[in-house]
Amino acid sequence: DSGVTQTPKHLITATGQRVTLRCSPRSGDLSVYWYQQSLDQGLQFLIHYYNGEERAKGNILERFSAQQFPDLHSELNLSSLELGDSALYFCASSGGVSNQPQHFGDGTRLSIL
Amino acid sequence: KNEVEQSPQNLTAQEGEFITINCSYSVGISALHWLQQHPGGGIVSLFMLSSGKKKHGRLIATINIQEKHSSLHITASHPRDSAVYICAALNYGQNFVFGPGTRLSVLP
Repeated sequence: DSGVTQTPKHLITATGQRVTLRCSPRSGDLSVYWYQQSLDQGLQFLIHYYNGEERAKGNILERFSAQQFPDLHSELNLSSLELGDSALYFCASSGGVSNQPQHFGDGTRLSIL
Repeated sequence: KNEVEQSPQNLTAQEGEFITINCSYSVGISALHWLQQHPGGGIVSLFMLSSGKKKHGRLIATINIQEKHSSLHITASHPRDSAVYICAALNYGQNFVFGPGTRLSVLP
């Protein structure tokens, strides 16, 4: 058990819809990272938050947004969903701002019908 | 050319064999991570390296910054080591760039 909790585990929705994925980091960790893993593109880094502030942005679409709240949990919002957004979305946390081992959640599997 | 490449793409070994997975990157990095993804999908961070060598149990990771190359070694491999191994380079923009992964199967 990594200590990182992601909800929901599975999500099925339709094109054009909006969903929110939630991540609770390991106790004491200040950094939260979001990743997308699709069959055709592998793992991709989306965004990194540290103690509520955005630290780095990767291949995150404009239709996607994220935030980290004062209690350090984070949410990833995906809107105007397309079939290609079907993927496994992972959250990871670490203690520091960079160069620290990351602890991964079990992921949220998003299926767009 | 991808910024992070791995070889081999697939690897099948017999239990007990010594295994090496290679990772080459073309970007400047501040650290390199090795990840293990189990057949069920869960991801575990194995190592984070910025120089030299690290060892944990039967796993050893090395990095050569000048040659932009890292290797992950597994000694005395076991069927439970069967997984996809992914290297991820953390560039100076603090973005992670992932390799395509190496799928390892260890046969009993």
